[in-house]
Amino acid sequence: EDQVTQSPEALRLQEGESSSLNCSYTVSGLRGLFWYRQDPGKGPEFLFTLYSAGEEKEKERLKATLTKKESFLHITAPKPEDSATYLCAVQAIGTYKYIFGTGTRLKVLA
Amino acid sequence: DSGVTQTPKHLITATGQRVTLRCSPRSGDLSVYWYQQSLDQGLQFLIQYYNGEERAKGNILERFSAQQFPDLHSELNLSSLELGDSALYFCASSVEVGSHEQFFGPGTRLTVL
Repeated sequence: EDQVTQSPEALRLQEGESSSLNCSYTVSGLRGLFWYRQDPGKGPEFLFTLYSAGEEKEKERLKATLTKKESFLHITAPKPEDSATYLCAVQAIGTYKYIFGTGTRLKVLA
Repeated sequence: DSGVTQTPKHLITATGQRVTLRCSPRSGDLSVYWYQQSLDQGLQFLIQYYNGEERAKGNILERFSAQQFPDLHSELNLSSLELGDSALYFCASSVEVGSHEQFFGPGTRLTVL
């Protein structure tokens, strides 16, 4: 069964303290892996799509990487405004269904 | 602002009732997705439509149904409501089917009493 697991569930960082969020996935064949950011009470906001192992994408302080079994979202020198829940999702080849992980709640303290 | 609109913002109703949630996708987007987000289960994919046709079904209950109209707006119908149906319901849209970024609306918060 296709599955997405994110860790840690919650993370508290000091401003400027870099860290990584993990997304482990199990799919029969990966069509794409997606990262979203969600602020409380709002809809998720798209960050990245990764398609194949070895691919990397960057946006400001965020960098997403992909291997055959997991993806990492690296946050470099985070700021308080980076506080949010980060969601990972996958779509398997042969289906149009999206499977989301339960997210990592990130809190960056000033 | 993602460009996706959802109405209503909040909905309070009683068990056993039926409600309709409405979604207007971004201009030019042909795909519409519906999701349910509850505290204990995270974001659950319900159903996807592309240009009026159903493309994928996720964890959608038989009491729930959806459709996409010729003008591309979509409606999610929830019937015989139960307490456990209380959740945030999000609509998202994308330009095509497949691995494309989705733009999420602000959601409809449904409370079943």
